[in-house]
Amino acid sequence: QSALTQPPSASGSPGQSVTISCTGTSSDVGYYNYVSWYQQQSGKAPKLMIYEVTKRPSGVPDRFSGSKSGNTASLTVSGLQAEDEADFYCSSYAGDNNVIFGGGTKLTVL
Amino acid sequence: QVQLVQSGAEVEKPGASVKVSCKASGYTFNNYYMHWVRQAPGQGLEWMGWINCDTGATKYAQKFQGRVTTTRDTSISTVYMQLSGLTLDDTAVYYCARTQWLDAFDPWGQGTLVTVSS
Repeated sequence: QSALTQPPSASGSPGQSVTISCTGTSSDVGYYNYVSWYQQQSGKAPKLMIYEVTKRPSGVPDRFSGSKSGNTASLTVSGLQAEDEADFYCSSYAGDNNVIFGGGTKLTVL
Repeated sequence: QVQLVQSGAEVEKPGASVKVSCKASGYTFNNYYMHWVRQAPGQGLEWMGWINCDTGATKYAQKFQGRVTTTRDTSISTVYMQLSGLTLDDTAVYYCARTQWLDAFDPWGQGTLVTVSS
């Protein structure tokens, strides 16, 4: 299975909104509502930000939101803050007990 | 609190094997799956496989089948990942991460750097 497709980079100014896409196929993102998003700050382990496409774990700011349309899931960060600068990864259940990750997107706060 | 603590950094030679441990605390160990995910230097996350901490059943990504073995010791709430036939391309940080099913990874261990060098 190929990795989910994410743009290598995204950017925005403080206070703006930015959306990161995650494109899969009708066998993974398009079929299952098990898309998650992770934030990885430099030198640290990833942190769960969104699960089951739209749900936010306790403690994650409501500036982070998720959605899905067809084979593409999206993560939107509203009201960008300097601390949001990080790498973001999506993952999806891919059937047959497999999981797949996206290639990652580096978010820069200008 | 829920915590996963991994073993320390390893340096291995090509062709050798490495075994990394992940000790869980703060929750009922048997009620979850544990996954292994690796990240080569400057690269993205790569899913390797999972173990059902209750039954011991495993599933590995096709890329790693035949080279990776995941086991668990329920008496000490610890999962192990052994990777054999190491090559330079296996140099990476290896993470364990918990899921309730095969969905959201939370939390993650702190990572274990495995360096393969001749």
